[in-house]
Amino acid sequence: TQLLEQSPQFLSIQEGENLTVYCNSSSVFSSLQWYRQEPGEGPVLLVTVVTGGEVKKLKRLTFQFGDARKDSSLHITAAQPGDTGLYLCAGHSGGGNKLTFGTGTQLKVEL
Amino acid sequence: NAGVMQNPRHLVRRRGQEARLRCSPMKGHSHVYWYRQLPEEGLKFMVYLQKENIIDESGMPKERFSAEFPKEGPSILRIQQVVRGDSAAYFCASSPLPRTSGVWAEAFFGQGTRLTVV
Repeated sequence: TQLLEQSPQFLSIQEGENLTVYCNSSSVFSSLQWYRQEPGEGPVLLVTVVTGGEVKKLKRLTFQFGDARKDSSLHITAAQPGDTGLYLCAGHSGGGNKLTFGTGTQLKVEL
Repeated sequence: NAGVMQNPRHLVRRRGQEARLRCSPMKGHSHVYWYRQLPEEGLKFMVYLQKENIIDESGMPKERFSAEFPKEGPSILRIQQVVRGDSAAYFCASSPLPRTSGVWAEAFFGQGTRLTVV
């Protein structure tokens, strides 16, 4: 069974601070996605990374896929209250047809 | 996640009743995935369907749960004789293809159906 462990599980920070969320596995994934989920809503896709070592930027969010394609990180610069939500990583293996979701990181950004 | 339509948004059932959850994929998407999310937990894969075919049901409980995606109409997740432990948010996602040149084709999620069993 493939497992994706996210850390930290909970994170509460002040507006303007930087943060990094980690997504780790012992398994290799052909691609990895990051989602953000708000209360009462479905996950919204933020980015897909495919190549080992790949870095993608989305405004203040920077996503990196590990060289070995077993881990990923999400870095947020100058966090804002609107960044509050549940961040989920999800990996796909080439031989399967389903996404394996991580355990989630609940982020709260306060004024 | 705009475009994947799930209904109802909220569903309350008494123990022993049946629950039917519907999912209409995004236009042009022919692949549907169902996930379950328990409170304070991540999403767990249940089943993957194409039109008129169940491709992977490795995450489905062996009893009481079934899913279909007919040629016409939405995908249906059916839970018979519901129990309190079935209370959860059920999410549907759709994609155009399961893989494109070895790369996961991005899946988009609906807003979910929150099932409460009383």
